[in-house]
Order: sequence, then structure tokens, then C-alpha cells
Amino acid sequence: NAGVMQNPRHLVRRRGQEARLRCSPMKGHSHVYWYRQLPEEGLKFMVYLQKENIIDESGMPKERFSAEFPKEGPSILRIQQVVRGDSAAYFCASSPTRGSEQYFGPGTRLTVT
Amino acid sequence: QQPVQSPQAVILREGEDAVINCSSSKALYSVHWYRQKHGEAPVFLMILLKGGEQKGHEKISASFNEKKQQSSLYLTASQLSYSGTYFCGTDPQLNTGGFKTIFGAGTRLFVKA
Repeated sequence: NAGVMQNPRHLVRRRGQEARLRCSPMKGHSHVYWYRQLPEEGLKFMVYLQKENIIDESGMPKERFSAEFPKEGPSILRIQQVVRGDSAAYFCASSPTRGSEQYFGPGTRLTVT
Repeated sequence: QQPVQSPQAVILREGEDAVINCSSSKALYSVHWYRQKHGEAPVFLMILLKGGEQKGHEKISASFNEKKQQSSLYLTASQLSYSGTYFCGTDPQLNTGGFKTIFGAGTRLFVKA
């Protein structure tokens, strides 16, 4: 049973470019969470999605950031016109139901130059 | 809104015990515990769903006092492999609104031989 998959593992973008981060949840999981983590800091909630629905996006900046979890395919976190402050590790996690345990992917380390 | 974890850091000798606390100002539906090693993804340890519930496996256990909105993680006879940063994640009660999991700032634990 494959775990949560994220790709790419490392992503380098220049300021102003777009970053697309992908997350495939564990089999049977329909709940996906995205978190951002800066070095030596905690996990900051960004968005919580169920299949085709955004349930809570209160942790996501209003501009430049968007997320989706289509009926088919992975969940995608999209960052437009990246700035240096977007550099961080982005983790996604999946769970079978709301409020249950979350299983984390290996993360995508985004570096903006 | 972020749960408060204490202590911020702890150093143990192999075989010693430790307690990590997590306290929330909001009514909670569940508390999760995770361990993250440097450069890796958080790994799920356990989840507590009911007030007064205690769970455990091997030498790691946890309790959840729903009335006080507090949870504690107990590490007994610590091993070198226990080193890492421990995070609690909290989910609010459904009737208080909100669906996001909020993580504490983490407790850094270092076990030395």
C-alpha cells in the first residue's frame, strides 16, 4: 500500500515564475491537507480539501496561491509569480476521514532564486 | 489559536522518561501526535478522540483531557531513535466551526547515549 506521494521533491524557481506541487493521497483517502514549513519551525496549515471541494482555505494567502483536488488525479498546490518568501518545504497529508490521523508525504522543497 | 506545547526542548539520557504537553484554548474534537526527524516528513504516532482517553504502544503513550483541552505525550525508557521534534495537532469541535488541523510549535527532544 503506497504512502502519500509528492512531486517534485525539490523545485527551483526564479522570482515571477509559477510553481506547481503535486500530491497523491494514500489509497482510499479522500481528505488532503497542505502545510508549509520553514526551517526550524512548525507546520502551518494552508488548505484542506476533499475530492473536488475546498473545505477550508483560511491558511492560504488570498493572492497567488490556489489549490485543487480534482475527481481524477492528484491534488495540486499552485503558486503564481513566486517570491523569495515562498521558499519553504510544502507537505501534504491525507486522511481517511475528517479529524482522523494524517499521513504525510515526503514534502516538496521549493527554492526561489 | 495555536496549541501551546511545553517544554520547547528537552535533553534526555538514554533510558530516561519525558512528558510533552499540549494545551489548547478551543474545545477539541481530537488531538494527534507526530514525530519529525530533521529533513524528513512528520510521522504519525497516535490520535486521541475521546475525553479522558489514553492510548499507547510500546513505550510511547498519550492522554487527552477533554475538559481541560489538554493532551500529554509520555515517552518512557527513551531510546536514541526517539530524538526528533514532536508536534501535537488539534482539530476543533464541529460545532465550534472550522475544519483545519492546527499544529503546535513543536518540542525538540534529544536523547543522548
